[in-house]
This record gives sequence, C-alpha cells and structure tokens, in this order.
Amino acid sequence: DIQMTQSPSTLSASVGDRVTITCRASQSVNNWLAWYQQKPGKAPKLLIYKASSLESGVPSRFSGSGSGTEFTLTISSLQPDDFATYYCQQYDDYPLTFGPGTKVDTK
Amino acid sequence: QLQLQESGPGLVKPSGTLSLVCTVSGDSISSNNYYWGWIRRPPGKGLEWIGNLYYGGSTYYNPSLKSRVTIFVDTSKNQFSLNLTSVTAADTALYYCARAGGHGSSSEEFDFWGQGTLVTVSS
Repeated sequence: DIQMTQSPSTLSASVGDRVTITCRASQSVNNWLAWYQQKPGKAPKLLIYKASSLESGVPSRFSGSGSGTEFTLTISSLQPDDFATYYCQQYDDYPLTFGPGTKVDTK
Repeated sequence: QLQLQESGPGLVKPSGTLSLVCTVSGDSISSNNYYWGWIRRPPGKGLEWIGNLYYGGSTYYNPSLKSRVTIFVDTSKNQFSLNLTSVTAADTALYYCARAGGHGSSSEEFDFWGQGTLVTVSS
C-alpha cells in the first residue's frame, strides 16, 4: 500500500495568513493526488485534483503543486470559511489511500 | 446537480452484516466512466477507502477489508450498496458514498459525496 503522510498535523493561523500543507507519499503517485476540505458534520469537499487542477467552484486562493512523492496545498490568504481539516488522497494505485489530515485552526 | 444519499441501519450487532444503500439522483448510475465508492471515517480517525464499483461492473476493494466486503449496483433503482460481513466494534464509523471519475476514467478522486451515515457496531 502507498502510505500518505501530512505535515503539520495541526496548524494555527489567522485570517489573511498564507497557509501551506505538505503531503508525502511512500512511493511516486505521479500526479494522481487530490486535496479535500472537511468541516465538522459535513462530507469532504474536493478542492484539487491531479495535484494542481482546481475543482470547479473552488476559490482561486487554493492551489496545489508537486509531483512524484511530495505535494503542497497552499491557501494564499486564509478566510474565515477555511478553518477545517484538509486531507490528501492518492489514486495512482489500489488501495486508494488518504493522508491522516491537517487541522487548520484559529491562532 | 448530482446528489448521493446514504441509508441503512445505524446500529449493527457484532458478527452481523452491515448493509448500506446509496441512492443517486441527478444522473444515471450507468453513465460511462464513473466509479461509485464507499469511504468511512472511524471516530477520531482519518478517512479509509472501502472500495469502488466501476460503471462496467468491475469492483475494487481495500485488501484490508476484501474478504468481508461486497459492493453491488441496482440500476433499476439508481442505487449502489455496501455489504460488510462479520462486523466488530472496529467497523464503527461514519460511512460515506461518493462518485469518482468526473475528470476522466483514470481520475479516482471523489468529486461528489453523500452526507454520511453513522453506523455503530454494538450489542
């Protein structure tokens, strides 16, 4: 199985901050990497697919980059609606696997 | 707009079978190139992929659950279902159904999700 790790596990930030979350894979996943946002009581929401493609309707302050084994999700200017938990997911190989999540909370 | 809705018992006894149904509205479940999947999140833990059903009928399961899992489709009702046998407390989780393949048949990112249903395994 491809193991996914994320750092940090928790990130404290303020509105307006630039936020960066890292996702690493135990082997190359090429660009088959997605990012999700999840809020309490809600289903995960797809933000980024194929490492850097922005899902329709997602604000442009979200961006993804990286390839191979290391990927980054960046929020250029954190908004009040962005406090949530973020997960990465690889779909290069079965079983599909998710990272453990990064919680973005208020500083 | 595509919508998915999970349904099924919220409480299952240990050693029993967990059965959930996902009802799809807004598109045909037989549409080409989509995957229909189940994902769960145990309390206090992260997301775990259970398995996917491809529109052509192929299924792909997480090896950690493979011996206990079946995913199947009922095209007449536009639904797909999950059966998980021999459940234990470790199967207690929030269960989601979701669609993948919206950006091409190689893209198994999940772009539409149900709201999730909590299943507790307890006697």
